[in-house]
Amino acid sequence: EVQLVESGGGLVQPGGSLRLSCVASGFTFSSYEMNWVRQAPGKGLEWVSYITARGDTTFYADSVKGRFIFSRDNAKNSMYLQMNSLRAEDTAVYYCAREILRCGGDCNDYWGQGTQVTVAS
Amino acid sequence: QSALTQPASVSGSPGQSITISCTGTSGDVGAYNYVSWYQQHPGKAPKLMIYEVSNRPSGVSSRFSGSKSGNTASLTISGLQAEDEADYYCTSYTLSGSPFYVFGAGTKVTVL
Repeated sequence: EVQLVESGGGLVQPGGSLRLSCVASGFTFSSYEMNWVRQAPGKGLEWVSYITARGDTTFYADSVKGRFIFSRDNAKNSMYLQMNSLRAEDTAVYYCAREILRCGGDCNDYWGQGTQVTVAS
Repeated sequence: QSALTQPASVSGSPGQSITISCTGTSGDVGAYNYVSWYQQHPGKAPKLMIYEVSNRPSGVSSRFSGSKSGNTASLTISGLQAEDEADYYCTSYTLSGSPFYVFGAGTKVTVL
């Protein structure tokens, strides 16, 4: 069974840092491109970042570029989102998600349960 | 402001068909057949319903179908059922630099 389990969320002050983790199981993690998607309270979905299967290429939304770093460790079936210089507007539920193999576009067929990040003083 | 435009709400009676539109530009929806649709129930993670404009993942009901014309993609739900009541989001790959993917603001589907 495919599973994605996020952790690392919590309450952090503005300007602080947080590292989210997502552990994958039930599939060959190293073969899949992955994404982070977030959802602010009462708002819609927002794509945050993408990483290739090998982890050699990443893309970021403008809203997080220069502050967030997406990485992965295929040997540990894990991926990470290092979030720095956090702002109130980064408050959201963060989901990790797996893309369908060889799919064109944002085709996330499996999602984690989400982890809450709250940025407040 | 979302890059893709969706109606805020759409409603229909059980058994009816409804269509949700998703309008972008020649730099995203119109550029490639890389439009996906997600369903999200309250408090739950999104579920992929359609990818690459009209493909259904395994396990998704054939009542859900997708199409595209020019810069507008559409999701049609036929034979509307109570469990279809949810938020629906379209998303597209974009050529316009960052972001890599863009979402619509979402459409609330209400089953009357």
